[in-house]
Amino acid sequence: DGGITQSPKYLFRKEGQNVTLSCEQNLNHDAMYWYRQDPGQGLRLIYYSQIVNDFQKGDIAEGYSVSREKKESFPLTVTSAQKNPTAFYLCASSNPEGGIQYFGAGTRLSVL
Amino acid sequence: ELKVEQNPLFLSMQEGKNYTIYCNYSTTSDRLYWYRQDPGKSLESLFVLLSNGAVKQEGRLMASLDTKARLSTLHITAAVHDLSATYFCALRTYKYIFGTGTRLKVLA
Repeated sequence: DGGITQSPKYLFRKEGQNVTLSCEQNLNHDAMYWYRQDPGQGLRLIYYSQIVNDFQKGDIAEGYSVSREKKESFPLTVTSAQKNPTAFYLCASSNPEGGIQYFGAGTRLSVL
Repeated sequence: ELKVEQNPLFLSMQEGKNYTIYCNYSTTSDRLYWYRQDPGKSLESLFVLLSNGAVKQEGRLMASLDTKARLSTLHITAAVHDLSATYFCALRTYKYIFGTGTRLKVLA
């Protein structure tokens, strides 16, 4: 089945630790995105990538980093510089024709 | 500033009633999307609206787009409990901009 796989589903971060969230897609989409969702809020764009080996900062990139070495993969690292990382993180990809975004199941990150 | 505003933010309605969710946006765009999110879950695509006057319908949901007014609506007909969820509209410019979401609760 085609889709977006995010892992892990739940993640706990200790103070001063970097953690990496995985996002893999087999939809053959060029564009991929990372969003952060806080409780009761909408989605805020962290980073996006339109093509392999290229990515751009979104609205709240500080404290996060990404890489796009393969078309299928767009991992997000939450660094220790992100002081309030507790949130629900969603990865998405989009097709060029209609532009519909397809979302993964999300990773819920909490701080220990 | 690029803005997408939805109203109402919260909507509690009785089963069998009709209601409309509004999505206003501040800039021109060629695409307007509606998504549904169940509590604790991911987003699921409902509609994509591509041009002025576009109307899409699926079951009890109907979405429309007025690009001149920069307004999209999501109309719910004869609501049922299964429609309880949060609904987001999103605009595509050089990136996607999401509205704040409308949390819908349908009471049996």
